[in-house]
Amino acid sequence: DGGITQSPKYLFRKEGQNVTLSCEQNLNHDAMYWYRQDPGQGLRLIYYSQIVNDFQKGDIAEGYSVSREKKESFPLTVTSAQKNPTAFYLCASSPWAGGGDTQYFGPGTRLTVL
Amino acid sequence: SQKIEQNSEALNIQEGKTATLTCNYTNYSPAYLQWYRQDPGRGPVFLLLIRENEKEKRKERLKVTFDTTLKQSLFHITASQPADSATYLCALVDAGNNRKLIWGLGTSLAVNP
Repeated sequence: DGGITQSPKYLFRKEGQNVTLSCEQNLNHDAMYWYRQDPGQGLRLIYYSQIVNDFQKGDIAEGYSVSREKKESFPLTVTSAQKNPTAFYLCASSPWAGGGDTQYFGPGTRLTVL
Repeated sequence: SQKIEQNSEALNIQEGKTATLTCNYTNYSPAYLQWYRQDPGRGPVFLLLIRENEKEKRKERLKVTFDTTLKQSLFHITASQPADSATYLCALVDAGNNRKLIWGLGTSLAVNP
């Protein structure tokens, strides 16, 4: 999984609770990404960050928040405002912030909201 | 509308044969195209990248072609093995949209021994 770690691998939460997914990389990559993957829907971009202390919304940012206080870390918070949070969440990084670069993915976190 | 499409049906082939997976796109201006492999419950892994001015790229048993006239990329695995069974994703880099990566839904490949 190329130097990107995500924890935990499985996460269970009650409806209405916020939950934070961890993503750390030791590849010294500038850009980091969060995707959500649902059966039959492919990878959908939630948020991305090209540089520390800056991030942009992706295609489905509503109900999610992120921070990028360190180059190595890009945690994702799934808030209670997210209508259907149960999904497989993938974090990725890429060397160059210019976009379109090869992406290196973590192992994923499967979130189940009960 | 803009679309990127991969074979929706799973591909089943016999070990030793060549697997060919298709990625078609419409209304994009791809700078280049990438292919990834994803195993169940795991993150995608990068395999190959091909630029718009390249016709073909090879890496060991893998070959990718890119035809900007047909708006299509083909991904071939020669001498396929059961270990090649996985889902294969194509992703194009949209030169017209801040070089955003646009993902296909993937094609599931099963190589039978």
